[in-house]
Amino acid sequence: GAVVSQHPSRVICKSGTSVKIECRSLDFQATTMFWYRQFPKKSLMLMATSNEGSKATYEQGVEKDKFLINHASLTLSTLTVTSAHPEDSSFYICSAGAVGRPDTQYFGPGTRLTVL
Amino acid sequence: AQKITQTQPGMFVQEKEAVTLDCTYDTSDPSYGLFWYKQPSSGEMIFLIYQGSYDQQNATEGRYSLNFQKARKSANLVISASQLGDSAMYFCAMRGVSSGSARQLTFGSGTQLTVLP
Repeated sequence: GAVVSQHPSRVICKSGTSVKIECRSLDFQATTMFWYRQFPKKSLMLMATSNEGSKATYEQGVEKDKFLINHASLTLSTLTVTSAHPEDSSFYICSAGAVGRPDTQYFGPGTRLTVL
Repeated sequence: AQKITQTQPGMFVQEKEAVTLDCTYDTSDPSYGLFWYKQPSSGEMIFLIYQGSYDQQNATEGRYSLNFQKARKSANLVISASQLGDSAMYFCAMRGVSSGSARQLTFGSGTQLTVLP
C-alpha cells in the first residue's frame, strides 16, 4: 500500500527557533499534500493545501508567514514553523493524495512538536 | 460549507460485541465522499472505509461496514466482533467536490472507543 513518511516524528525546540517537518510519499506521486494540526483529544484542522510547483493555499486564520510550506517535488512537501512559540506546540500530520486516486488520502505518522 | 458531527465523545463496548459510531453530515455538494479513520494512541491515521454519495450499496471492509442513509445525512460506522485492538479514536470525514481542492477533508470531532475485555 501507499506509504507516507514524516520526519522528524518528535521534536523539541526552544522558543524563537524554526523547525522544518518533512512529508514524503515513498512509493507514489502526490500532486497534492495537506497539512493538518491536531491538539490533544481534538480533531484534525486543515492548515493548508500544498500543490507541487505552486504556492500553498492556506486556510483562514493560518499565518502563511509563520507556517511556510514548500512542495518542490511530487514526493516531498515541507512545513517550516518559523520563530516557534509554546502555543505552536501541537501534533502536525500530513496527508497525500495519489495521482489519479482522488478518493484516497494517505496520512503520515505525524510529528509532535514541543516548543519550550 | 461542509460540516461533520459526531455526537458521541466516548463509547464503550464489550469485546466480541458490535458497536455503532454515529456520524451525521451537512453539505450542499451534489457529490461527496465519506470516510472513516482510526487513530490509535500512536497518532497515525488509519483509513478504514469509504462511501461515495452515489454508491448504491453500503460499503463494507472486513469487520467494518458503513450504514449510509443519504436522506438522513448519516454515515454511521459499524464495527462487528470488537477486539481489544479496536480501542482508539475514530474520525468521520467528508470530501467535497466543490471545495478549493477536490480532496480536502473535513473531519468530525471524533469518538473515543474503548473495548472492554
